[in-house]
Amino acid sequence: DIQMTQTPSTLSASVGDTVTITCRASRSLDSWLAWYQQKPGKAPNLLIYKASTLESGVPSRFSGRGSGTEFTLTINSLQPDDIGTYYCQQYSSQSWTFGQGTKVEIK
Amino acid sequence: EVQLVQSGAEVKKPGESLTISCQCSTYSFHNSWIAWVRQMPGKGLEWVGVIYPDDSDTRYSPSFQGQVTISADKSVRTAYLHLSGLKASDTAIYYCARSLLDPRGLDIWGQGTTVIVSS
Repeated sequence: DIQMTQTPSTLSASVGDTVTITCRASRSLDSWLAWYQQKPGKAPNLLIYKASTLESGVPSRFSGRGSGTEFTLTINSLQPDDIGTYYCQQYSSQSWTFGQGTKVEIK
Repeated sequence: EVQLVQSGAEVKKPGESLTISCQCSTYSFHNSWIAWVRQMPGKGLEWVGVIYPDDSDTRYSPSFQGQVTISADKSVRTAYLHLSGLKASDTAIYYCARSLLDPRGLDIWGQGTTVIVSS
């Protein structure tokens, strides 16, 4: 299995801040990485795929970068609606895996 | 609009079996993979496995191999997750989700099925 290590586990920031979440893979994924946002009591929602492609309808303040083993999700100008838990997920191998999640809170 | 509609919540006793269904609302079921994801109470997402309904090619996470069975019936555009020998630790929300052949992650999700295993 490819292991995904996501940091930090919790992030607290103010409205308007820029926040970054990092995901590291135990081996190269090329660019086969997705990011999701999950709000309490809801199914996850796809934000980014192929490491940096914004899913249709997702605000442009979300962006993804990286390739190989290191990836980042950046939220520019954090908004109150951005609270939730964010997950990375690799789909490079035949066995997909998720990161442990990052809970984003507003200060 | 493509939707995945899952079967309703279940309460089961230890040792019992259970099958959860996930029905796709449109023909695009044929050109996609359907994945299953578990979320235990207060925990993160865990990938269970995935099936390609057109030919039933199925892949499992090593953590779930032998513990669950994924199947599909393309005639009714439905995928299934079967759990047997239920334990309290199977208590979770189970989601199905779609992955297109041009892989872009899991772009459509079902609403989730809550499974409670309790004596």
